[in-house]
Amino acid sequence: GAGVSQTPSNKVTEKGKYVELRCDPISGHTALYWYRQSLGQGPEFLIYFQGTGAADDSGLPNDRFFAVRPEGSVSTLKIQRTERGDSAVYLCASSLYGPSSYNEQFFGPGTRLTVL
Amino acid sequence: DQQVKQNSPSLSVQEGRISILNCDYTNSMFDYFLWYKKYPAEGPTFLISISSIKDKNEDGRFTVFLNKSAKHLSLHIVPSQPGDSAVYFCAASRAGNQFYFGTGTSLTVIP
Repeated sequence: GAGVSQTPSNKVTEKGKYVELRCDPISGHTALYWYRQSLGQGPEFLIYFQGTGAADDSGLPNDRFFAVRPEGSVSTLKIQRTERGDSAVYLCASSLYGPSSYNEQFFGPGTRLTVL
Repeated sequence: DQQVKQNSPSLSVQEGRISILNCDYTNSMFDYFLWYKKYPAEGPTFLISISSIKDKNEDGRFTVFLNKSAKHLSLHIVPSQPGDSAVYFCAASRAGNQFYFGTGTSLTVIP
């Protein structure tokens, strides 16, 4: 079966521009997570959705970052007024149930964002 | 503040020998720990997990050990194979909520 997919695989943008990153989770997975991985670091939690609602957005660094999951499946991470420090690999993961069920998160390949 | 730490950025091991990857954490409330493996240009893939009620979990060539008093866990791979060469991340959570990842250890298994 299909795993988690993310598009685009690479995105190069200029400072100050707006970008959208898309995540298609595994069909039937209720929980969806966004992480950011900077060079030499491990994945850093950004936000988690249970169904359509953002259950925990405590990891979003500031109000330039926003994510939606309007139908409880595909999710879009939106970054306004991009800065060079936003350059990183953005990872999406999904799991069958919410995180409190100790279940495995399946990761996508990530989107490499470069802000020039 | 890094709550999960992997102090060895890299490790090289001969094929057939044991690989031991280490991880330390600071939050005593963490009760679920995982290891993920990552190849270049791919997302991390789940390898093995352990809950805090256990001190050992084994799955084939992979064994994870948890020492709660020392806030330390380790992943043992034996025998190591060239296909095991990858970056390994440990992660921890409290009640299965958001995962905190370490910075990773790059394992190279030399044929």
